[in-house]
Amino acid sequence: AQSVAQPEDQVNVAEGNPLTVKCTYSVSGNPYLFWYVQYPNRGLQFLLKYITGDNLVKGSYGFEAEFNKSQTSFHLKKPSALVSDSALYFCAVTDYGQNFVFGPGTRLSVLP
Amino acid sequence: NAGVTQTPKFRVLKTGQSMTLLCAQDMNHEYMYWYRQDPGMGLRLIHYSVGEGTTAKGEVPDGYNVSRLKKQNFLLGLESAAPSQTSVYFCASSSPTDMNTEAFFGQGTRLTVV
Repeated sequence: AQSVAQPEDQVNVAEGNPLTVKCTYSVSGNPYLFWYVQYPNRGLQFLLKYITGDNLVKGSYGFEAEFNKSQTSFHLKKPSALVSDSALYFCAVTDYGQNFVFGPGTRLSVLP
Repeated sequence: NAGVTQTPKFRVLKTGQSMTLLCAQDMNHEYMYWYRQDPGMGLRLIHYSVGEGTTAKGEVPDGYNVSRLKKQNFLLGLESAAPSQTSVYFCASSSPTDMNTEAFFGQGTRLTVV
């Protein structure tokens, strides 16, 4: 069975500082990994994905994520945080795009 | 391009009442999903469908039924609503090709059962 862990319920970072939101996964086959962002009272918006190839994936709004197979991790990163990045972030894994399993979410607060 | 559209956006039900949530997608996606979102629990899969006329149970299917009579629509039904079904419901769709595996989400339906 697939599973996703996001070990931090909340991440606080000062505006302009780099941010990291952590994600680890468990899947039997090759992982397809995703990050989504949710703003208040909105649906989930796709940020980026890892399917195959380069371990460093770049996505929307300046976000990137690094796939690490040995550590089964897919941490979300951004070099310089903005106040507007404050939102709820979800990591997800799927086995070839059939069933998406989501982590519990990490609330990111970027402080001015 | 509407993407994934859910109706209604808000609803208040009394315990024991029934209702149907409608999800429509215009991207010709094969797969569709219903999730519920509860604080601290992320999104949990209720039911999903891999094609017209097919449905399958997810992680938390009890108390819900679904139908996929048309490829573009996926209906979620609550036959006898319970307070434990108070939640935000999200529909999603995806097309599992190598290039486009991500799921696209609707805006959500906030359901309160009193």
